[in-house]
Amino acid sequence: GAGVSQSPRYKVAKRGQDVALRCDPISGHVSLFWYQQALGQGPEFLTYFQNEAQLDKSGLPSDRFFAERPEGSVSTLKIQRTQQEDSAVYLCASSLGGNNEQFFGPGTRLTVL
Amino acid sequence: AQSVTQPDIHITVSEGASLELRCNYSYGATPYLFWYVQSPGQGLQLLLKYFSGDTLVQGIKGFEAEFKRSQSSFNLRKPSVHWSDAAEYFCAVGASTGNQFYFGTGTSLTVIP
Repeated sequence: GAGVSQSPRYKVAKRGQDVALRCDPISGHVSLFWYQQALGQGPEFLTYFQNEAQLDKSGLPSDRFFAERPEGSVSTLKIQRTQQEDSAVYLCASSLGGNNEQFFGPGTRLTVL
Repeated sequence: AQSVTQPDIHITVSEGASLELRCNYSYGATPYLFWYVQSPGQGLQLLLKYFSGDTLVQGIKGFEAEFKRSQSSFNLRKPSVHWSDAAEYFCAVGASTGNQFYFGTGTSLTVIP
């Protein structure tokens, strides 16, 4: 595709529900990143994939957060038993790897009621 | 610990005036430095980056930034601001391996006619 796409763009969940956020990276990009951006804050790193391997998940805030990229392309960020503090914009980015530029998607705005 | 500080939460400038957005970083190794811009509802767009070499780097949309190692700074400048520059600006520092970014909290720019 022309850029990184994310779906859905907006998600409203009741507290306790599970949600799944999808990221379609730029074709051929080996690196994929997830970030969480709270209101008025900068993006905070969640996790990083190189192809299908999750090399760093140190930023995931709890074991309710899980990410996968089974075929090294599309990635899904899953949040189980959502809580109000999970409300944020979730950004996905992809790159060719190494020090190459990260290209960001438009984000998914999650609101937990 | 790695961190990025953007001391100015919000800046207002007149159209045509010059602009400088401040960024200070703390990083244990040679930093890879970036400036991103985020317009409402849009993803982050890379303005410019510094890896090595000339400490004054040119970016898109007429922006430039200067890396000053002695001051641990990477300030963003533009000689003449346009109304379309109104947005949120984020400074980021990255690892040489390219697998993690640390963002500042952002500076919101308002441009008045």
